[in-house]
Amino acid sequence: QVQLVESGGGVVQPGRSLRLSCAASGFFFSSYAMHWVRQPPGKGPEWVAVISYDGINKYYSESVKGRFTISRDNSKNTLYLQMDSLRADDTAVYYCARDTGIMATMIYDWGQGTLVTVSS
Amino acid sequence: QSVLTQPPSVSAAPGQKVTISCSGSSSNIANNYVCWYQQLPGTAPKLLIYDNNKRPSGIPDRFSGSKSGTSATLGITGLQTGDEADYYCGTWDTSLSAYVFGTGTKVTVL
Repeated sequence: QVQLVESGGGVVQPGRSLRLSCAASGFFFSSYAMHWVRQPPGKGPEWVAVISYDGINKYYSESVKGRFTISRDNSKNTLYLQMDSLRADDTAVYYCARDTGIMATMIYDWGQGTLVTVSS
Repeated sequence: QSVLTQPPSVSAAPGQKVTISCSGSSSNIANNYVCWYQQLPGTAPKLLIYDNNKRPSGIPDRFSGSKSGTSATLGITGLQTGDEADYYCGTWDTSLSAYVFGTGTKVTVL
């Protein structure tokens, strides 16, 4: 059974950094692309970034490009999101999600999410 | 501003059928697979439909998906109170190099 468990969320001041982690189990992690998706309070999901199965190819949404970095450690079955220069509008529940292929195709499985609140 | 447009809400009585449309373009729906997600209050989104019209194991056949050109449709038959949720379409956008979600549709069972 696929399990995706996010951690690292919390309250952070504007301009500061935070790193999210996602521990994956129940599938062959190094065979799948992985995504981060966020959902601001009361709004719909917003895609953040995707990384290919081997960590080589990465794409970002325009709203986070240059501030966030997606990475993965296939030896640890873990996905990361380094978030720098955080802003109030980055406040959201952040979900880790598994794709169906080696690069972005479809978002299939979702974690339960971790809440990031950017506030002074 | 989402590139996939859905109606804000749909409603019907228990046992009836609803359909939810998702309108996109040639850079997303027309040339990529469409997924549909259900989000119950306070929970993470859950995959209902993938590959335009396939259901993951455990999803009842009351849920169906279809695609034609730049639009996709989710159908729910035999509506139940447990189906009250927000529904989102999603697909890869080749021009944006980004995964895009629809604006979301709230389903209400009258």
